[in-house]
Amino acid sequence: GAGVSQSPRYKVAKRGQDVALRCDPISGHVSLFWYQQALGQGPEFLTYFQNEAQLDKSGLPSDRFFAERPEGSVSTLKIQRTQQEDSAVYLCASSLSAPTNNEQYFGPGTRLTVT
Amino acid sequence: QKEVEQDPGPLSVPEGAIVSLNCTYSNSAFQYFMWYRQYSRKGPELLMYTYSSGNKEDGRFTAQVDKSSKYISLFIRDSQPSDSATYLCAGRGNTDKLIFGTGTRLQVFP
Repeated sequence: GAGVSQSPRYKVAKRGQDVALRCDPISGHVSLFWYQQALGQGPEFLTYFQNEAQLDKSGLPSDRFFAERPEGSVSTLKIQRTQQEDSAVYLCASSLSAPTNNEQYFGPGTRLTVT
Repeated sequence: QKEVEQDPGPLSVPEGAIVSLNCTYSNSAFQYFMWYRQYSRKGPELLMYTYSSGNKEDGRFTAQVDKSSKYISLFIRDSQPSDSATYLCAGRGNTDKLIFGTGTRLQVFP
């Protein structure tokens, strides 16, 4: 079946621009996660949704970062007034339900470059 | 200090070798441990996860956890060039998020 999809795959933004990154989880998956992966590093947690509820946003680095999942399926990660340090790959992952959050399935990521 | 430490490599081995990939962690709350494989410009792919201490085998892959020493290992038998990738270990404690190491880059040459 279809895996997690993300769009766009690549995004170049000028410093100060706003960007929106989209994640389509696996159909029926209740849990959705966003991670940020800097070059040469492992993914770092940003935020977690269970259905439409954002249960954990402790990893969002600043109030310029905002995520939503209004209908409990597709999610959008928005970054306002992008800075160069926001350049990274943004990964979305989903899992079937909270008890199976050990099995997180990742999308291909969106590579954001801020110039 | 990072919660999960991993040697970035690269680790270069000949085809057919047994590969040992290792991580250490500091968070005593970790109960679940995962190994992901990540090819260049792709998302991480879950290989396997284990609960608490012990071994788990899946085909050519064996994951091992020693909670007493906070040490996680992944062994790959009969390594193939297609195993060339970055291997990420991760731990999970009382929350739903995964804490990853930096990843070890593995190169298997023919």
